[in-house]
Amino acid sequence: GAVVSQHPSRVICKSGTSVKIECRSLDFQATTMFWYRQFPKQSLMLMATSNEGSKATYEQGVEKDKFLINHASLTLSTLTVTSAHPEDSSFYICSARIAGDETQYFGPGTRLLVL
Amino acid sequence: DQQVKQNSPSLSVQEGRISILNCDYTNSMFDYFLWYKKYPAEGPTFLISISSIKDKNEDGRFTVFLNKSAKHLSLHIVPSQPGDSAVYFCAAPPVETSYDKVIFGPGTSLSVIP
Repeated sequence: GAVVSQHPSRVICKSGTSVKIECRSLDFQATTMFWYRQFPKQSLMLMATSNEGSKATYEQGVEKDKFLINHASLTLSTLTVTSAHPEDSSFYICSARIAGDETQYFGPGTRLLVL
Repeated sequence: DQQVKQNSPSLSVQEGRISILNCDYTNSMFDYFLWYKKYPAEGPTFLISISSIKDKNEDGRFTVFLNKSAKHLSLHIVPSQPGDSAVYFCAAPPVETSYDKVIFGPGTSLSVIP
């Protein structure tokens, strides 16, 4: 099956720093990648949708200047949490979709802890 | 306004018995449904899907049933195993966005007791 990786799996940073999370589709080309955030004991919240070579589409309430998304190639999307604060601590998950396939394939997630 | 609902936040089942996870939706335009399984601190993994042209789809121990008139679907796991303990999300891609934005239910945490 399609494999999606994320790096790093866990990151701890100081408040005010920026953190970059990578999402890669390892064995397929992802026309669309998605970034989700999951709070403890809650469902997945879609943050943004990114298509290769174009600007990401952010969901309502998600600050695009805070969460920078770059989809540089068909196999790589990055999420940068800028000037991170403790309330940004969360579990961030990316997913990728192959053109013509309704299924999204999820990465293993990145645990971010901002001190 | 939740378009995909999972009204049971948790479920406990004895090993070997059947687990039934329920999901209700409000939008009659949904025509494709997915179930994902998620372990703590991991990304969701795709489990099984069903198209609205079917009322049942089976894959090994997992069967999904769809009742379009009731806007209800359910995931059956038989027999349940301890390794099935996880959070199960029901999801539906809205037709009008070409499956780009999958709407997830809140999830049901399944505990299979040995």
